[in-house]
Order: sequence, then structure tokens, then C-alpha cells
Amino acid sequence: SQELEQSPQSLIVQEGKNLTINCTSSKTLYGLYWYKQKYGEGLIFLMMLQKGGEEKSHEKITAKLDEKKQQSSLHITASQPSHAGIYLCGADITTAGNKLTFGGGTRVLVKP
Amino acid sequence: KAGVTQTPRYLIKTRGQQVTLSCSPISGHRSVSWYQQTPGQGLQFLFEYFSETQRNKGNFPGRFSGRQFSNSRSEMNVSTLELGDSALYLCASSPGRLGEKLFFGSGTQLSVL
Repeated sequence: SQELEQSPQSLIVQEGKNLTINCTSSKTLYGLYWYKQKYGEGLIFLMMLQKGGEEKSHEKITAKLDEKKQQSSLHITASQPSHAGIYLCGADITTAGNKLTFGGGTRVLVKP
Repeated sequence: KAGVTQTPRYLIKTRGQQVTLSCSPISGHRSVSWYQQTPGQGLQFLFEYFSETQRNKGNFPGRFSGRQFSNSRSEMNVSTLELGDSALYLCASSPGRLGEKLFFGSGTQLSVL
């Protein structure tokens, strides 16, 4: 079973509208990462969250990690066509090295 | 600094053949990880190398192997290719300490016919 559940799997949003993506784990997360991917290409780093209750923002994107460190959300304000792509959450599942497990991804389409 | 470089970008092989993929990490990075991405299974961890030693391993058969050289460059090998091995293979590098972000390459798209 998927260790990280992302929702929704896909969404279509009108340009200028806000959107939220959720990432839920049944286990405590040692670190939570958000990446963006264009189809068939590599992953672009967005945010990294490590502390419960942590919130980070960059331009119009805000990511939060809940207090219990089992759920994270990614919020985009006033979406633009450049925000289209696949958003992936990844989490550290070991304290020995870099071994990320990823959610299934959320495909975002922004309609102009 | 140059980013993570993966070669080749595209590869077409037939069943039963073997393939070697290459990854050059960001200068100074000692950890290199490999991931397989398919439409059905998503992004899955293959293995991680740190200072020429395999530090973590995912749940893939022994046909998938890797190695890391003294300059931190890494190669991944898949022997006896199967149709299901068709995927985007992504390499990621980091300095090596826990909790540091991974920098991903553009990937190698492997098609097995």
C-alpha cells in the first residue's frame, strides 16, 4: 500500500484561483519534501519541512507540516499557467541516509 | 554549479538485453540515489550510494544494481531487461547528511521493446 497518500490525484483550476494539495502519512515523518515535475522530466525542489507546525512560503506557494508530523499541505495562491505540472510529496522514512518515499502525485492544470 | 547530469536522455532496448545508466552528481555531493518512475507504480526508490558504498536499498530484484566511483559519479545497471522495466529513471544527489534536499537530474527514459 502507498505509504504517502496524496489528494486529489488531479485538479483543474481557473487561472487566478487558489488550490490546495494534501499529503498524508500513517507514520511520523522525519522530513517532508515537496517537488514539482513537468511530464517526463526531473523533479524541481519546492519546499522542505522538518518540524511539526512548520510553515514555509516561496512566492505564491505555501507548505505546512502539521503538529503531529503526519500530514502536509501545499497551497498555491492566485494560480498561474506556470503552476501547471505534477506535484509530488516525498518523505524520509529512515534516519539512516537519504531514502525518500513519494506520494502518487497530483496533476495540476491551470485554465487561462 | 552544474546540476545533476544523467546520460543518456533516451534509450531503447529489447527484452533480455542489459543497460547501464550514468549519473554525475553536483560537485561536492557524496550521496547519489536512484529512483524508478512509472505511470502505474509512481516514483520508487531503488538504492542510494554514499562514499562508494550502498547505504540504502529499495525492494527491487537483483537485476537492478549500481555502483559509485571515487569521484561520486554513479552508474546503474539493469540486466536481462523486461518490458516492465520501461520507465523514467531518475538520479538525485545530495551532500549526504540526513534531512538535506535532493537535487534531481532530468532522467533517462528507458523503453524496452
